[in-house]
Amino acid sequence: KQEVTQIPAALSVPEGENLVLNCSFTDSAIYNLQWFRQDPGKGLTSLLLIQSSQREQTSGRLNASLDKSSGRSTLYIAASQPGDSATYLCAPWGGGSQGNLIFGKGTKLSVKP
Amino acid sequence: EAGVTQSPTHLIKTRGQQATLRCSPISGHTSVYWYQQALGLGLQFLLWYDEGEERNRGNFPPRFSGRQFPNYSSELNVNALELEDSALYLCASSLGKIAKNIQYFGAGTRLSVL
Repeated sequence: KQEVTQIPAALSVPEGENLVLNCSFTDSAIYNLQWFRQDPGKGLTSLLLIQSSQREQTSGRLNASLDKSSGRSTLYIAASQPGDSATYLCAPWGGGSQGNLIFGKGTKLSVKP
Repeated sequence: EAGVTQSPTHLIKTRGQQATLRCSPISGHTSVYWYQQALGLGLQFLLWYDEGEERNRGNFPPRFSGRQFPNYSSELNVNALELEDSALYLCASSLGKIAKNIQYFGAGTRLSVL
């Protein structure tokens, strides 16, 4: 059974810092992994999708890496802004699941001006 | 192009009642997924429908059920509501059961059971 852990659970940084969010998963037989952002009480916004054959994906100030063999993914946020404040969730697809994503509990990020 | 839409936004029920939540996928998407996000428990997978068929269900009791219509929209029904069913219910859609496809999420339905 796939289990996803995200560290840290919460993070507070001053504006402008570069930061790294970590995600680990127990079953490395995944097809892809998605990173999402969730604002309080809202739905999820897909940020990046990394296929199992890829090692990195970039979108603007966001860069996600995937090391499938070690069961790890990281989300790097450059030059953080207060608008980045949200909960960030990672979710691998596959690895024993059948179509559904398995979510970690997320990292709650607060960027202070 | 419209994203995934869910209705209602908020739903208040009492224990023992039934709740019906609705989801319209992005045009062209045939797969619909339902997830529950209860306070402190994280996002849990409920149901997956594709091409009108239930493809998989999560570890939830049978009083959680649903269906997918010919236009690919979907309903989630929760019978005999319990207090712990209070949660944000999220629907997602994708271009079918292909691993490469991104799941896009709606804004959710907040169900409160009193």
